[in-house]
Amino acid sequence: DAKTTQPNSMESNEEEPVHLPCNHSTISGTDYIHWYRQLPSQGPEYVIHGLTSNVNNRMASLAIAEDRKSSTLILHRATLRDAAVYYCILVTGGYQKVTFGTGTKLQVIP
Amino acid sequence: SAVISQKPSRDICQRGTSLTIQCQVDSQVTMMFWYRQQPGQSLTLIATANQGSEATYESGFVIDKFPISRPNLTFSTLTVSNMSPEDSSIYLCSDRLGGGGGYTFGSGTRLTVV
Repeated sequence: DAKTTQPNSMESNEEEPVHLPCNHSTISGTDYIHWYRQLPSQGPEYVIHGLTSNVNNRMASLAIAEDRKSSTLILHRATLRDAAVYYCILVTGGYQKVTFGTGTKLQVIP
Repeated sequence: SAVISQKPSRDICQRGTSLTIQCQVDSQVTMMFWYRQQPGQSLTLIATANQGSEATYESGFVIDKFPISRPNLTFSTLTVSNMSPEDSSIYLCSDRLGGGGGYTFGSGTRLTVV
């Protein structure tokens, strides 16, 4: 069963920031929060992950709530190429299998 | 991160036949995962493949229908056997190098059964 909850869809104007929320109220202490995105006709692509602290990389930022029951993926300036389905998943350390929820379909408006 | 080459990218098959999908990774990886994604849906895990042992299947998926091979640490195959139109879907493989990194996915195989 999926352990995360995301809105089905969101819209953003091009070149504006986008905040994609994810709820994971049953997260355990060893679960990492991963984000992936899937562009049309492609496999999912890793975006970012974190455990407790906020994380930044060249693609996005990840803000994790203090109680870790929710997180937010931040795209600082949305482009048309960011239009995709974004998945938030929980990953236990090691090589464990993961469960994908329904994800959020992001539409970027020119 | 690892790069996965998956083939074929798409195929149209007759019902009752079988199709084998291949995934080649450019690094040695401990475990590989196979997913199915039906049109407009999320990914559903089929099985986890560890080198040198039998694959572990998720509920609703059986080895006779989806046999998996994992002959070495860089390669795996998934066969969709005795296909029916209900097997039309996208099939994806995935791996994780470990070390705290993310999962890498193949580009998928779009299967249509007629």
